[in-house]
Amino acid sequence: NAGVTQTPKFRVLKTGQSMTLLCAQDMNHEYMYWYRQDPGMGLRLIHYSVGEGTTAKGEVPDGYNVSRLKKQNFLLGLESAAPSQTSVYFCASMAANNSPLHFGNGTRLTVT
Amino acid sequence: AQSVTQLDSQVPVFEEAPVELRCNYSSSVSVYLFWYVQYPNQGLQLLLKYLSGSTLVKGINGFEAEFNKSQTSFHLRKPSVHISDTAEYFCAVRPAFSGGYQKVTFGTGTKLQVIP
Repeated sequence: NAGVTQTPKFRVLKTGQSMTLLCAQDMNHEYMYWYRQDPGMGLRLIHYSVGEGTTAKGEVPDGYNVSRLKKQNFLLGLESAAPSQTSVYFCASMAANNSPLHFGNGTRLTVT
Repeated sequence: AQSVTQLDSQVPVFEEAPVELRCNYSSSVSVYLFWYVQYPNQGLQLLLKYLSGSTLVKGINGFEAEFNKSQTSFHLRKPSVHISDTAEYFCAVRPAFSGGYQKVTFGTGTKLQVIP
């Protein structure tokens, strides 16, 4: 039972490079979320999706794009990475009822 | 709009002592409330949740929390902590309805350090 899987686990980028983080869930959950975690700031919502083909902005969406072409996958893209995007990124999914979030193990991204 | 406040960024406590981690929330609608725990270099795991009914909810590892609607609080407690409880704890809220655009908002976290 894989749950929520994030790839890659670690990545180092140079300023201006682009990359895509992949999140996959095998629980048939409707909702999927991308958060970033920074020291002292908790988890801040970047973008989220309430179903296949939908996306919505969270608290800190600038510099990121997302896509949800398939229900089980939620992609987070950085078009032109900046040092301010150095963070740990967590993906989570949730069923469309009163259930809690299920988290992946995170991706540690460093932008130099 | 909804928000979560965890005023204590760090809480040191001696082993076998009781602990309370504070959480206050603000929302224009009814909410569900959650506590998550994050051990070093891991993702977040659900500790407990309040959906409705009894305001005292029990979770894993001997933790419990009490929902207080008038004070908009959901404080986490444990009567006797263990070294293995050293972790970061996050309070979270989401709207108490199904469907629609469901934002889940987290507090800034409280690091619990259990001292031997």
